[in-house]
Amino acid sequence: EVQLVESGGGLVQSGGSLRLSCAASGFMFSSYWMTWVRQAPGKGLEWVANIKSDGSEKYYVDSVKGRFTISRDNAKKSLYLQMDSLRAEDTAVYYCARGGGYSYYWGQGTLVTVSS
Amino acid sequence: EIVLTQSPGTLSLSPGERATLSCRASQSVSSGFLAWYQQQPGQVPRLLIYGASSRATGAPDRFSGSGSGTDFTLTISRLEPEDFAVYYCQQYGNSPWTFGQGTKVEI
Repeated sequence: EVQLVESGGGLVQSGGSLRLSCAASGFMFSSYWMTWVRQAPGKGLEWVANIKSDGSEKYYVDSVKGRFTISRDNAKKSLYLQMDSLRAEDTAVYYCARGGGYSYYWGQGTLVTVSS
Repeated sequence: EIVLTQSPGTLSLSPGERATLSCRASQSVSSGFLAWYQQQPGQVPRLLIYGASSRATGAPDRFSGSGSGTDFTLTISRLEPEDFAVYYCQQYGNSPWTFGQGTKVEI
């Protein structure tokens, strides 16, 4: 069974940092692109970033470029999102999802709250 | 960046009726790389359609997708009670991938 479990969310002050993790199981993690998608409270979905299976390609939405870094550790079957210089508008539930385009499998999400 | 505009914002229908949801792109979506998701309140998005018209595993056959270029449609042939939810389109043909703002299907 495919499972994606996010962790690392919480309350942080504006300008602070957080590192999100996503632990994967039930599939060959090293063969898949992975993606982060976020959803602000009461709002729609926003694609944040994705990373190729071997980590050699990474793409970001403009609003997080230079502040967020996506990475992965295939040996640990884990995906990460390092978030620096956080802003109030980064407040959202962050989901990790399998795949680089569309995603069939999603984690349950982890809430990041940035206080100003 | 490709902007996806979904219409209508809210669709008020009854069980058994047909629902037609629209997703219009600001420029052509490469190779029909367009997906549709359903999201129930408090739940994770569920993939329904990918490649504009391919039904995802487990998606009921009352859901169908169509379209190409800049105009795409999700059709629910006969609404079941569990279909009342928010639906999002997503393009994954041009980086950055983008989502529409969503259409709420309500009773």
